Amino acid sequence: AQSVTQLGSHVSVSEGALVLLRCNYSSSVPPYLFWYVQYPNQGLQLLLKYTTGATLVKGINGFEAEFKKSETSFHLTKPSAHMSDAAEYFCAVSAQRFQKLVFGTGTRLLVSP
Amino acid sequence: EAGVAQSPRYKIIEKRQSVAFWCNPISGHATLYWYQQILGQGPKLLIQFQNNGVVDDSQLPKDRFSAERLKGVDSTLKIQPAKLEDSAVYLCASSLETRDRFSTDTQYFGPGTRLTVL
Repeated sequence: AQSVTQLGSHVSVSEGALVLLRCNYSSSVPPYLFWYVQYPNQGLQLLLKYTTGATLVKGINGFEAEFKKSETSFHLTKPSAHMSDAAEYFCAVSAQRFQKLVFGTGTRLLVSP
Repeated sequence: EAGVAQSPRYKIIEKRQSVAFWCNPISGHATLYWYQQILGQGPKLLIQFQNNGVVDDSQLPKDRFSAERLKGVDSTLKIQPAKLEDSAVYLCASSLETRDRFSTDTQYFGPGTRLTVL
């Protein structure tokens, strides 16, 4: 079975500061890993995904994540936060392609001026 | 390309009433998913269709929830009767599934239907 743990339900940063959102996963098979963003009253939008290959994955809006098998982690980073990055971020795992996503509980990113 | 469409966007009902949600996936997407997102939690899969067939409904409360996918395109999710704990956002997603190794397996989400049960 697959599961995801997101450390910190809320993360606050100042505009221009580094963003680090943590995600650890558990999977009995090589995982597919995803980060989604959700703005208020909207659906989820894919930021980036890891399936196979290069462990450093670049996504939209300047975000990237690194798959570390030894640490079972897939943390999301962005060098410099913008006000528009304020949203809820979800890490998700699936066991195979086209199977259900198992989501973490989400981390709300707050960006202050 | 049009995204996943859902309606209604908001619904308020009283407990024990019935409610239905509609989803129109992205054109050509064979796989359709319904997720339930309770406030403060991540989405949880209720049911997954591939074309007309059900792939996974292990977490669907079948005593009150039902879903169908008409002709492998649109889908409806019904709750009858509703309970207070069904208050949540119901998200529909779709993905283009082919056996091409280069095929994307991204799930695209609709805006969701926010259900409030009083």
